[in-house]
Amino acid sequence: AQSVTQLDSQVPVFEEAPVELRCNYSSSVSVYLFWYVQYPNQGLQLLLKYLSGSTLVESINGFEAEFNKSQTSFHLRKPSVHISDTAEYFCAVTRGGADGLTFGKGTHLIIQP
Amino acid sequence: NAGVTQTPKFRILKIGQSMTLQCTQDMNHNYMYWYRQDPGMGLKLIYYSVGAGITDKGEVPNGYNVSRSTTEDFPLRLELAAPSQTSVYFCASSYLESTGELFFGEGSRLTVL
Repeated sequence: AQSVTQLDSQVPVFEEAPVELRCNYSSSVSVYLFWYVQYPNQGLQLLLKYLSGSTLVESINGFEAEFNKSQTSFHLRKPSVHISDTAEYFCAVTRGGADGLTFGKGTHLIIQP
Repeated sequence: NAGVTQTPKFRILKIGQSMTLQCTQDMNHNYMYWYRQDPGMGLKLIYYSVGAGITDKGEVPNGYNVSRSTTEDFPLRLELAAPSQTSVYFCASSYLESTGELFFGEGSRLTVL
């Protein structure tokens, strides 16, 4: 079985400041890693994913995450946040196939003007 | 193209009542999932299906039932509702070949009093 730990339940940052949301995972087998975002009163949307290849993956709206196998981490970063980035962010893992995703508890990113 | 559609969006039940949450997708996805989301707890997998006629239990299946008679529909049945089933329920679907990329509905908020 696999598990995901998101170390911060809330992260407040000022607009245009950098941010890092931390994610660590545990698994006895190789897994694939994801970040999903949930805006208020909406379902989750895929933000970015690591399946293989380059350990640094990027999203279209400026977020990036780096897969670190030795530290079993997949932290999410953005160099400059915008008020529209206010949302709940979920880290998730899967072994693949039809297993579905195992989610962390989520981190609420709060952008302060 | 509606994606994943869930109904109802909101519902209040009395203890012991039964109801069905409806989920339909128009993307011809093989895999479908039901998750529940509780504050500060992330998402937990209730049931999933890899195709019509095939369903399997997830992490928290007790108190729920599902069926998958068609590719498009994946209803979730609550029998004898209990306060512990107060939650937001999300249906999701994905392609057979798409590792971990789930498409989510907007959720159904259920309160059991």
